Amino acid sequence: DGGITQSPKYLFRKEGQNVTLSCEQNLNHDAMYWYRQDPGQGLRLIYYSQIVNDFQKGDIAEGYSVSREKKESFPLTVTSAQKNPTAFYLCASEDRTSYEQYFGPGTRLTVT
Amino acid sequence: QKEVEQNSGPLSVPEGAIASLNCTYSDRVSQSFFWYRQYSGKSPELIMSIYSNGDKEDGRFTAQLNKASQYVSLLIRDSQPSDSATYLCAVSVAGGFKTIFGAGTRLFVKA
Repeated sequence: DGGITQSPKYLFRKEGQNVTLSCEQNLNHDAMYWYRQDPGQGLRLIYYSQIVNDFQKGDIAEGYSVSREKKESFPLTVTSAQKNPTAFYLCASEDRTSYEQYFGPGTRLTVT
Repeated sequence: QKEVEQNSGPLSVPEGAIASLNCTYSDRVSQSFFWYRQYSGKSPELIMSIYSNGDKEDGRFTAQLNKASQYVSLLIRDSQPSDSATYLCAVSVAGGFKTIFGAGTRLFVKA
């Protein structure tokens, strides 16, 4: 059963703490993405990875970091430098023949 | 700055009617166009992809693309209350790694 998983579904953290969001896919896609969604807004690109051991900053990368050590995994760390981290975080992988992106269920992060 | 614009809505239609959702984009080199459905609190789900001018039909959904006018639309026939969701338009350049998403149109289908 192919798909993308994200964990946890909900995450609560205190200000000043780093937190890592998990994203795993078994679709055999090379390209993976992290987006942030705030209420009433579209998806904004944080980071993307074209292939293992490579990743690029998106439009709002400040305060975030990623790694891509395995094809299946693309974890996102929200650091204490991110000024407004409370948001809905979405991971996606992309079929590079159709450019269709498929999303995981998302992680809702609340920082207080 | 590449942009994808959608009317935020809400768009309200009665059950059984046709819902028409519209999207315009600014980057003329865009080549791939997508419609996603997002239920409240959930992640986006791909429902249609379209790559060439004209219409593409899939069940009750029809995507329409007009590259000259930089316009893409989604028609939902025989709308059902379960179609009530936010519909996101997305546009990408072939070969690129950036897909631009619109903010979405909220659709309400009244029973």
